Amino acid sequence: EDQVTQSPEALRLQEGESSSLNCSYTVSGLRGLFWYRQDPGKGPEFLFTLYSAGEEKEKERLKATLTKKESFLHITAPKPEDSATYLCAVGNFNKFYFGSGTKLNVKP
Amino acid sequence: GAGVSQTPSNKVTEKGKYVELRCDPISGHTALYWYRQSLGQGPEFLIYFQGTGAADDSGLPNDRFFAVRPEGSVSTLKIQRTERGDSAMYLCASSPRGSNEQFFGPGTRLTVL
Repeated sequence: EDQVTQSPEALRLQEGESSSLNCSYTVSGLRGLFWYRQDPGKGPEFLFTLYSAGEEKEKERLKATLTKKESFLHITAPKPEDSATYLCAVGNFNKFYFGSGTKLNVKP
Repeated sequence: GAGVSQTPSNKVTEKGKYVELRCDPISGHTALYWYRQSLGQGPEFLIYFQGTGAADDSGLPNDRFFAVRPEGSVSTLKIQRTERGDSAMYLCASSPRGSNEQFFGPGTRLTVL
């Protein structure tokens, strides 16, 4: 069964302090790795899809990278509005396995 | 355009009762997914529809859970004989044909007393 593990569980940063979130996975064959942002009481919001090792995607202060066994979500110079839970998932069109998320808190 | 909507936003019921949760996907999206999310956890896959048929229902925890999508648009998740352990946020997501990008609704918070 595909499994997804995210670390750390929680991360506190000062505004402007860059860091990275980790997502490691065990899959029989990667069919896509997905990053989502989730604010309290809301549904997840799609951020990125990565399909092959070496692939990178960027959106504002976020950059997602993928290796054969893990993915990183790099946050550059974060702002308080970046505070949220970041979820990673692996899967295909049929079924997606989510990690437990990293709860990010950015202090001004 | 309108996003995925879910009703009700909150549902409180008593143990043993029957509940229905509704999902209205984005118009034209062919794929629809149901997930369950407990506090502090990621969404847990329940069932996937492609059109009207359930293409994968392997995530449904037991036969008390059932979902339908009779016309390939709106879907209803049905839970019989609810148990306290069913309390969670139930999320629905839809995707356009040929895409892995899922658009999530705001969820229904189910509380079983």
